[in-house]
Amino acid sequence: SAVISQKPSRDICQRGTSLTIQCQVDSQVTMMFWYRQQPGQSLTLIATANQGSEATYESGFVIDKFPISRPNLTFSTLTVSNMSPEDSSIYLCSALGTSVHLYEQYFGPGTRLTVT
Amino acid sequence: AQKVTQAQTEISVVEKEDVTLDCVYETRDTTYYLFWYKQPPSGELVFLIRRNSFDEQNEISGRYSWNFQKSTSSFNFTITASQVVDSAVYFCALSEALTAGNKLTFGGGTRVLVKP
Repeated sequence: SAVISQKPSRDICQRGTSLTIQCQVDSQVTMMFWYRQQPGQSLTLIATANQGSEATYESGFVIDKFPISRPNLTFSTLTVSNMSPEDSSIYLCSALGTSVHLYEQYFGPGTRLTVT
Repeated sequence: AQKVTQAQTEISVVEKEDVTLDCVYETRDTTYYLFWYKQPPSGELVFLIRRNSFDEQNEISGRYSWNFQKSTSSFNFTITASQVVDSAVYFCALSEALTAGNKLTFGGGTRVLVKP
């Protein structure tokens, strides 16, 4: 299985500022994703992070608000821009496994964001 | 469009009781994958199992077992002889490999509380 780390693990930010979350996988993976989990809710996909090209965003999420980078096969970043209290959530990075674990999708520990 | 329904929002049991979590899904694909994840109070998402649509064999792993029935579009999860450490939110998820780029659609989650 892939081991995924995220930084920071949590942060408290002021409205109007931006935060960049980093996601590092310990092995090369085919696909990486970013999810949001609002308080007490389920997980919702924000976008698929594509290596070498622009991310693919889900309905309701836009690049200006959630710019994503994926410079190589093991690393991705998600920026939450111009934050408001409604952005307070857990943000989770996930990666699709390879070889014998193909299609097993593993998650990072999450970044707990509070916007004041 | 894919959809996952977990009708039970919260289940409370006494330790050593069995608990079954229901999951019903909707998909138009013939090739898809079903997942269960555990989210303990610490917040990380722990991968439990993945099944593909062509494998209807039930699976047992320790105290955990899964019942996959394509005829009823269900993928239920049973914890046998529950323990306090099983207290968590459990999510069922669906991935349509061919048409949805392996994105996960999550159910709303079922919170399990195991009392000593």
